[in-house]
Parts: sequence; C-alpha cells; structure tokens
Amino acid sequence: EVQLVESGGGLVQPGGSLRLSCAASGFIFSRYNMNWVRQAPGKGLEWVSYISSNSRTIYYADSVKGRFTISRDNAKNSLYLLMNSLRAEDTAVYYCARDLVEYSGYDYNWFDPWGQGTLVTVSS
Amino acid sequence: DIQMTQSPSSLSASVGDRVTITCRASQSISNYLNWYQQKPGKAPKLLIYAASSLQSGVPLRFSGSGSGTDFTLTISSLQPEDFATYFCQQSYSTPYTFGQGTKLEIK
Repeated sequence: EVQLVESGGGLVQPGGSLRLSCAASGFIFSRYNMNWVRQAPGKGLEWVSYISSNSRTIYYADSVKGRFTISRDNAKNSLYLLMNSLRAEDTAVYYCARDLVEYSGYDYNWFDPWGQGTLVTVSS
Repeated sequence: DIQMTQSPSSLSASVGDRVTITCRASQSISNYLNWYQQKPGKAPKLLIYAASSLQSGVPLRFSGSGSGTDFTLTISSLQPEDFATYFCQQSYSTPYTFGQGTKLEIK
C-alpha cells in the first residue's frame, strides 16, 4: 500500500524552528517528485514547496521562501521540511504529497496520495 | 501567480441530485487542472486529474470537463458519502494554486 506519514509537528514560539518529516512506503520513493502543502485551520489549501526526485529542482511559495528548506533522503525514503523564523501565519496542518506525472508530451501532474498531515502551531 | 476561483463557495443539495462545481483560472492553463475531495479531519483525495481523467477507484458519477480557463466538476447523482469540500488545483506552473473550495452540504 502506498503510504505517506508525516511527523514533527507541534507547538513552537514565533521565531522558532521546526523540522517536519514524511516517511514514504509502498513505492519507489527515489523515482518521484514530492510536495508540501499546508492548510490553516478552517481555511483552504496552500502549496508550500516542491522537490524533484533527484533534489536538483526545488521551488517554494513566496510566503515561505528564505525561511523554509525542503530536502529528501532517498536512502531513507524520507522527505523533510525545515521551517525557520516561524510566524503565527504558518500555523497549519502540513501535508506531504507525492507528485505524479503523466509523461504524454504534456507532462500533466497531480498530487496523490497525501499523508494524514501534521499540525504546526506557532504561538507564544 | 495563477489565481483559481471556484463557485459556488457552498452548495446545499439532496441525495440523488446532479451537482456542478465551477473553477476558473486567471489565465489559460490548458488541461493542467486537478480536483480533490476533502472530508473533515482528513487529507485531500484526488478525484480528477488533467481536467477530465478519473482517478482509479473513484466512482463513475464523478466527471470533469473544461480546458483553458473554465472547468467543471460534475457529480451525476449525489450519494451520502459525497458531502465534503472540493478543491480545484492548477499544475500549469509554480506556485501551484488551489481554488478556495466548495463545501457541499446536505439539504
């Protein structure tokens, strides 16, 4: 069964740091691009970051650029998100999601599956 | 950034109804449009990818259509388990962006 399990969330003070992890199983992790997506309480979905299968291509949302760092360890089947200089507005459930691509010439891509999420609360 | 606008934001319907949710992109995104369903306290689940392709395991009552800037998600006959929030997402370019969501409630 393809599965993603996030961990590392919790309560942190403004300005603090936290590292999230996403453990992958049931598929060959090293072959897939990955994403982090977050959802503030009662709000919609916000894409946070993308990393290619070989870590050579990385993208960030402007709202986290310079503060968050995405990385992966293919030997450990794990994805990470290091979050520094946290703000109250970073409070959210953070999901990792596998990026699937249809290599048909158009290279459509979508997120499937998603992990169950881990809650990050930034508050004093 | 590409803005995604869904309508309506909420919708009340009955079991057996046909329901259509609309998603509009601020610029052309070809068919780079995905639909997700989210139930309270759960992760989003992929329903439709590339505008009209049904994800494996998703019931045939779900369908997607559209291209360019205007897209629709249709549920042909609502079932009790379909009451949830639905999000569209563009994967044409980063930052990938989502619609604000459509909450489908029981009438």
